[in-house]
Amino acid sequence: DTAVSQTPKYLVTQMGNDKSIKCEQNLGHDTMYWYKQDSKKFLKIMFSYNNKELIINETVPNRFSPKSPDKAHLNLHINSLELGDSAVYFCASSQDTGLNTEAFFGQGTRLTVV
Amino acid sequence: KQEVTQIPAALSVPEGENLVLNCSFTDSAIYNLQWFRQDPGKGLTSLLLIQSSQREQTSGRLNASLDKSSGRSTLYIAASQPGDSATYLCAPCDNNNDMRFGAGTRLTVKP
Repeated sequence: DTAVSQTPKYLVTQMGNDKSIKCEQNLGHDTMYWYKQDSKKFLKIMFSYNNKELIINETVPNRFSPKSPDKAHLNLHINSLELGDSAVYFCASSQDTGLNTEAFFGQGTRLTVV
Repeated sequence: KQEVTQIPAALSVPEGENLVLNCSFTDSAIYNLQWFRQDPGKGLTSLLLIQSSQREQTSGRLNASLDKSSGRSTLYIAASQPGDSATYLCAPCDNNNDMRFGAGTRLTVKP
């Protein structure tokens, strides 16, 4: 069983479209994240949710909106896609407290905007 | 805002060598620090997690140390193998679950 799963794995879409990336974790973690890895391979945090509440919101455009229907899911909605949004997006989860706060990552979603 | 620097940016060594990868971070108020590896076109695999109260962690040929007060961590890889070739990422995390990444060290181990 995959601990953190993202869908789709690849997404090719035209500029101006609206798209969503889904993320689910089956680890019982209470914190989930979205990261963006650009063409230079640098990972930057976008959002962090703890128990369905937003706790970190980096300076990303408001075209990006995270949605957390429950603790196990954190979906990423992107409106009016732009060429610069092309990147690999990673979802992750971790446990907030306790001895084992190790973070686990999904396999990534490669978004290409054309 | 936490800034993470990893040195060297790239490293190429023959098989069998022992390696040290360095990570420094600007804000020492961390909760833990995690080392990951990333293979080309793949996701991140967790290697080691060090809690802020710990000095080091070991897993097989890997040993990670943490000097929280000076904002440094090192990843030591013993007897490197071609299968160790990957990008290694350091990520300190604060009490607000804010986990920041360095740019990584791209390791190539030649047979």
